[in-house]
Amino acid sequence: DTEVTQTPKHLVMGMTNKKSLKCEQHMGHRAMYWYKQKAKKPPELMFVYSYEKLSINESVPSRFSPECPNSSLLNLHLHALQPEDSALYLCASSRGGLVAGNTIYFGEGSWLTVV
Amino acid sequence: AQTVTQSQPEMSVQEAETVTLSCTYDTSESNYYLFWYKQPPSRQMILVIRQEAYKQQNATENRFSVNFQKAAKSFSLKISDSQLGDTAMYFCAFMRIIQGAQKLVFGQGTRLTINP
Repeated sequence: DTEVTQTPKHLVMGMTNKKSLKCEQHMGHRAMYWYKQKAKKPPELMFVYSYEKLSINESVPSRFSPECPNSSLLNLHLHALQPEDSALYLCASSRGGLVAGNTIYFGEGSWLTVV
Repeated sequence: AQTVTQSQPEMSVQEAETVTLSCTYDTSESNYYLFWYKQPPSRQMILVIRQEAYKQQNATENRFSVNFQKAAKSFSLKISDSQLGDTAMYFCAFMRIIQGAQKLVFGQGTRLTINP
């Protein structure tokens, strides 16, 4: 059973819609991540939050807006997306901090289709 | 820049056979961590095994083991007594610290099929 929970599992949205992807973990982790994965490709890092502060933004377009309300929750707000943004969005978490090697645990992902 | 290369896009073996997936990486760092993740059709990324570069002993987890050759920058995964449930996409990944956070750099993946 995954300890990183993502909702919704599937989302279909129009290019003018505003929607959000949600992620929750209760492992006491202090780092949370958003990855984007296109078909037959590896995941690509989008954002990293460390201790509720945005640490990494991999030059992601502003139509994707992350939010970390507290150490257990991570949201990804979506607005004015393009069809090429259709992908699997994976949330992940880890113990965080500057110590390398903390295992990163992934959720089951949210399938996003932009029409 | 760190890169991870998986040279086998697809592999297929019979159930109960042993299979080895290859991975090479490039880095100038002396201490780092390497991971193998599997992604079954359910799409969840599941940790298979991890290796700390400063440890010379190869990591093992039940039927899964690695052959870590630091000088050659090679990190292969061996699956013994393969099972149908091992069918998945396997990603090799290198972890680095950037801007105070951990970042996984993934290879392109190897699609492994276990046939009955």
